[in-house]
Amino acid sequence: QAVVTQEPSLSVSPGGTVTLTCDLSSEAVSIYNYPSWYQQAPGQPPRTLIYTTNTRSSGVPDRFSGSILGRKAALTITGAQTEDECVYYCMLYVGNGISLFGEGTHLTVL
Amino acid sequence: EQLVESGGGGVQPGGSLRLSCTGSGFAFSNFGIHWVRQAPGKGLEWVAVMSYDGSSEFYADSVRGRFTVSRDNSKNTLYLRMNRLRREDTAVYYCARDLPPQDGYGMDVWGQGTTVTVS
Repeated sequence: QAVVTQEPSLSVSPGGTVTLTCDLSSEAVSIYNYPSWYQQAPGQPPRTLIYTTNTRSSGVPDRFSGSILGRKAALTITGAQTEDECVYYCMLYVGNGISLFGEGTHLTVL
Repeated sequence: EQLVESGGGGVQPGGSLRLSCTGSGFAFSNFGIHWVRQAPGKGLEWVAVMSYDGSSEFYADSVRGRFTVSRDNSKNTLYLRMNRLRREDTAVYYCARDLPPQDGYGMDVWGQGTTVTVS
């Protein structure tokens, strides 16, 4: 079965820009994988940030943006805030009704 | 727009449990619903999805044949029947609303989760 891979951890300075990526073991990520991104603070349920590659969910600040960079899906945070420090998960649709999450990227803002 | 899970608890290995996910504030019967779980200290794992009308359902390899999703739209409720439970099924189970088809694929509204402990 395919595996979705994310960076285990990344760090960014307040106000800086960081890109998180999401790789699919079996093939290049495309729009047909409908990449989506979720943010999870400790002890909280996930929150949807981005769906269908680059559409921001309602209420999500525009410093969050999604794209496909080369063979991977990407989440870019431009102008990181301290409250952005948490775990980010990508999810890819891999066909036949099946979705897969990555293992998450723990983002540190300092 | 809200989803509320219930039915979690402790169960012995090999046992069964049924979780419920009840929606409010939106037309529940118009949306597919996913189940996603998170083992203690681990990441998210997609578990299953059922279409808005119950006509189709899909499962992760790890639960296929043991878990069954069903829904009763008259009660705005989706169920996850879990049989032959294993210790590795211990997790917080979230239900999440599927995006409308015109928006692609993914989840937009999440519940708070219910905890299942198999030991």
